[in-house]
Amino acid sequence: NAGVTQTPKFRVLKTGQSMTLLCAQDMNHEYMYWYRQDPGMGLRLIHYSVGEGTTAKGEVPDGYNVSRLKKQNFLLGLESAAPSQTSVYFCASSYSTGRAYNEQFFGPGTRLTVL
Amino acid sequence: GENVEQHPSTLSVQEGDSAVIKCTYSDSASNYFPWYKQELGKGPQLIIDIRSNVGEKKDQRIAVTLNKTAKHFSLHITETQPEDSAVYFCAASNWGYQKVTFGIGTKLQVIP
Repeated sequence: NAGVTQTPKFRVLKTGQSMTLLCAQDMNHEYMYWYRQDPGMGLRLIHYSVGEGTTAKGEVPDGYNVSRLKKQNFLLGLESAAPSQTSVYFCASSYSTGRAYNEQFFGPGTRLTVL
Repeated sequence: GENVEQHPSTLSVQEGDSAVIKCTYSDSASNYFPWYKQELGKGPQLIIDIRSNVGEKKDQRIAVTLNKTAKHFSLHITETQPEDSAVYFCAASNWGYQKVTFGIGTKLQVIP
């Protein structure tokens, strides 16, 4: 199993450009998440999904959109990139077993720079 | 919402010494507390977790303690080794929401 994969690994954008980050998992997990990691601020949740076709806002959703058309994929879009969105983006997934506490599995990250 | 505070932000120890990282949380409804380790250039990985009905949990050189009354929990690493050098994140979660709130992270350096 590949686990959680992210595409691309690195990207440089100019202010105002758009892009989509792709996350894929092969563990049949129900839940998927997008985080951003910035120095001194830890991991902050952008958006998450509790199943195919569903999405919800996290802590810092402004400027981002997401889609979960297939269970294994979770896309993060930036419609008009801003320098404040320079960050490392992590995707994660977890399974649902009802009344249980579930580990999140993280991808390797995407380093995005907005000039 | 939940707020998780973590300290110290950086920690240097000599190889073989112990390291302690402390976290506090604000939401009394939180009942699951995982710890993640992030090595350079990689995504975080779960190393140990504790549930609110347990006060302490140990896994080889790693232990976590939880004080629900004071709303704080700690990670203890004994006999540190160079491969323990990484960023460690504490987190708090409320079952049913499938979301966790992370601390800012602690960069641990183990000096050989």
